[in-house]
This record gives sequence, C-alpha cells and structure tokens, in this order.
Amino acid sequence: DTEVTQTPKHLVMGMTNKKSLKCEQHMGHRAMYWYKQKAKKPPELMFVYSYEKLSINESVPSRFSPECPNSSLLNLHLHALQPEDSALYLCASSQPRDEQFFGPGTRLTVL
Amino acid sequence: KQEVTQIPAALSVPEGENLVLNCSFTDSAIYNLQWFRQDPGKGLTSLLLIQSSQREQTSGRLNASLDKSSGRSTLYIAASQPGDSATYLCAVKVGRPAAGNKLTFGGGTRVLVKP
Repeated sequence: DTEVTQTPKHLVMGMTNKKSLKCEQHMGHRAMYWYKQKAKKPPELMFVYSYEKLSINESVPSRFSPECPNSSLLNLHLHALQPEDSALYLCASSQPRDEQFFGPGTRLTVL
Repeated sequence: KQEVTQIPAALSVPEGENLVLNCSFTDSAIYNLQWFRQDPGKGLTSLLLIQSSQREQTSGRLNASLDKSSGRSTLYIAASQPGDSATYLCAVKVGRPAAGNKLTFGGGTRVLVKP
C-alpha cells in the first residue's frame, strides 16, 4: 500500500480562522513532508519531519505551524492566513532519502 | 545551489508517438532523481526513481535514463496515449548529508497527447 491520505480535500477559511490540515500514512515511513503548490508551479517544500522531529523549515511564516504527533500522522495548523496563502497543500512521506509518495492534496482558499 | 530545468515547458504530440521529456540539473552530486506525473488539481504520482549509481530505470512503457556527468535525465514514454496527458515533473535529491531529505523540482513539462 503506497497511499498517503489527506483531509480535508477542500477548505475555505477566513483570515481570522484557525484550521488544521491532516495527513496520514501507514507505510512505516519515517520522513514526512509538507509542500505548497501554486497554479502551474512546482511544489515548494515547507517542512520536513524525520523520525518525528522537525528537520527542515524552509523559512515558512509562523502562521503555518506543523505538528507530528506520531510516526503516521502529520498536521499543519493554520492561523491568520492571507489570501496569497491560497494554494494546493501536499503531504508526502518516504523512508529517509528514499522515494517520496504524495497525497492527493488539500485545496485551500483564504477569503 | 541545485537548479533543475525542464525544457520544453509544454509539448503536444499525436497519439502513438513516443514522448521524450528532458530534465537537467546543475549539481552532479545527486543522491537520486525521481520522475512524477501530476494531473490538474491532483497530487503527484511517483513514476520512477533512479539512484545515483544507476544509468536507467524501466517500468512498463516508461524508461528513464540518468547521466550524472552531464547533469541530465530523460524520460521516454513509448506509444503515447491520450491518458498520458498530464504534467511531468522531475526532482533531484542532493547527495550531501546537510541537504537532508530535500527534493529540488524542475518546473515541469505539460504534455498533451491528441487522439
């Protein structure tokens, strides 16, 4: 099973809302990733967790807060977002330095 | 800093023609290279992973080659079908440990296969 699941599929939120994106994998992967993708652009790495510890933060604004509660779950907490944060948010997982598998994404719209 | 380029940005071919997609990278010290397919509004589907020690990798109608010394990889798709229409992305993992698990993506090639 090479499946990464993400919820919700779509999310519309106001600039004062707090929401969370969720990602889950059951492949025993020990690295998990958050990417942001704007239309017609490649994914941009936001965060990497390796063995449940944050290993890479690509200078992402603090209104995005990642959390890795256990080896199968990855959350992205959102607060006080801006309209320019509207994008497709992709989660991925892998064994460290191995092939990455992506989820279907959450389409986020910030009003 | 690793830079990855995919040219052309868009490609249109008639059904049945072979597809040749190009990926070039500036730093030859790579750990591996991965090819992905993305349909509009969807996530990325991993197609092939080539380790730095490999010259090519094959899966069905897909064949990917890797030439580290020249900083190039090519994805061949044989006998294209309309269902192959998608954006194809290559991504490189740098071999230096400090780079960790980071992938550097090319801009993608948007492919249209006409029936």
